[in-house]
Amino acid sequence: EIVLTQSPATLSLSPGERATLSCRASQSVSSYLAWYQQKPGQAPRLLIYDASNRATGIPARFSGSGSGTDFTLTISSLEPEDFAVYYCQQRSNWPRMYTFGQGTKLEIK
Amino acid sequence: EVQLVESGGGLVQPGGSLRLSCAASGFTFSSYWMSWVRQAPGKGLEWVANIKQDGSEKYYVDSVKGRFTISRDNAKNSLYLQMNSLRAEDTAVYYCAREWATAAGFDYWGQGTLVTVSS
Repeated sequence: EIVLTQSPATLSLSPGERATLSCRASQSVSSYLAWYQQKPGQAPRLLIYDASNRATGIPARFSGSGSGTDFTLTISSLEPEDFAVYYCQQRSNWPRMYTFGQGTKLEIK
Repeated sequence: EVQLVESGGGLVQPGGSLRLSCAASGFTFSSYWMSWVRQAPGKGLEWVANIKQDGSEKYYVDSVKGRFTISRDNAKNSLYLQMNSLRAEDTAVYYCAREWATAAGFDYWGQGTLVTVSS
């Protein structure tokens, strides 16, 4: 089973600052990695798929990078609505199964 | 507009059973893999199970194997999760999610249904 480890667990930043979130896999996941944003009481929202592609309607300030075992989600300039919990997720090729990271809480400093 | 609406959650005693449903609309349901993802109170996301378009392949996280069964009815545009031998640690909000057709991700989610296992 592939384990995803996200860091840091909590990130405290101010609006306008740059956020860098990390996701490390215990073995290579190729580019089968996605990022989600979740706000309290809401379902997760897909931000990035296949490591670096923004989902429909996602602002350009969100970007994803990486391959293999190390991945990064970058928010170039934080808006007030960006403070939330972020999860990475991988999919194995076969069997077609998924795992999530434990999440990074992005909080207002 | 794509919509996924879960139902069937509630309070159940340990060892009991519950069947969750997810009604899909706004897309060709029979063309997509579908998944169930859960989130225990105050915890992170956990993928539970998925099913291929025609139901011929199903996969489960180890913690629910032998207790949960995923199924679908393409004629009714519906996804199901039969949960047996429920445990306290199964308490969570259960989300129905559509798997991205050509990439690795869940592009649409339902609003979730809460399952509470307690005596």
